[in-house]
Amino acid sequence: AQKVTQAQTEISVVEKEDVTLDCVYETRDTTYYLFWYKQPPSGELVFLIRRNSFDEQNEISGRYSWNFQKSTSSFNFTITASQVVDSAVYFCALKSLIQGAQKLVFGQGTRLTINP
Amino acid sequence: DAGVIQSPRHEVTEMGQEVTLRCKPISGHDYLFWYRQTMMRGLELLIYFNNNVPIDDSGMPEDRFSAKMPNASFSTLKIQPSEPRDSAVYFCASRGGQAYNEQFFGPGTRLTVL
Repeated sequence: AQKVTQAQTEISVVEKEDVTLDCVYETRDTTYYLFWYKQPPSGELVFLIRRNSFDEQNEISGRYSWNFQKSTSSFNFTITASQVVDSAVYFCALKSLIQGAQKLVFGQGTRLTINP
Repeated sequence: DAGVIQSPRHEVTEMGQEVTLRCKPISGHDYLFWYRQTMMRGLELLIYFNNNVPIDDSGMPEDRFSAKMPNASFSTLKIQPSEPRDSAVYFCASRGGQAYNEQFFGPGTRLTVL
């Protein structure tokens, strides 16, 4: 079975602090893809990043960075110098191309609040 | 390019009424997905289509739910009769290209059944 766990239900930090959102996944497949989505207060789900299981290079996009470690089955997301606009619910998701090839399995989400 | 379009954005209805949610996927995308989001269960996949054909409806809660995709640019999710426990945000998403590509989500329909 496939599973995504986001153990942090809620995180609250003060603006300009760095914050890391944890994501741990379970799958028996060797080929899979991991995703992060952002759900701002307006409600839509916004795609942030996709990473495949064969690419363990970390990625940085502006203030956002992602750390993928197969050894610990983790795909963590860090926001550097957080801003109020980063306040949202963040979802980590897993897709295996073998089991349920089209299904995205989502974690429960982490609600991030950035206080001014 | 227009994203995934859903209508209505908000729907309030009374128990027992029929509810129809609508979705227009991104042009050229051959996969369409319907999700439901609740506080208790998070994001759940209800059904998905490939080239207008339903592929997996194992997530549809019960016979009161049905979904159709009459053409590549339109899909509906119908609940008949609706119940208060159906209250949720319903998202439509579409995907094109390779299987590993990301899904693009619509803005969602917030359904309240009184």
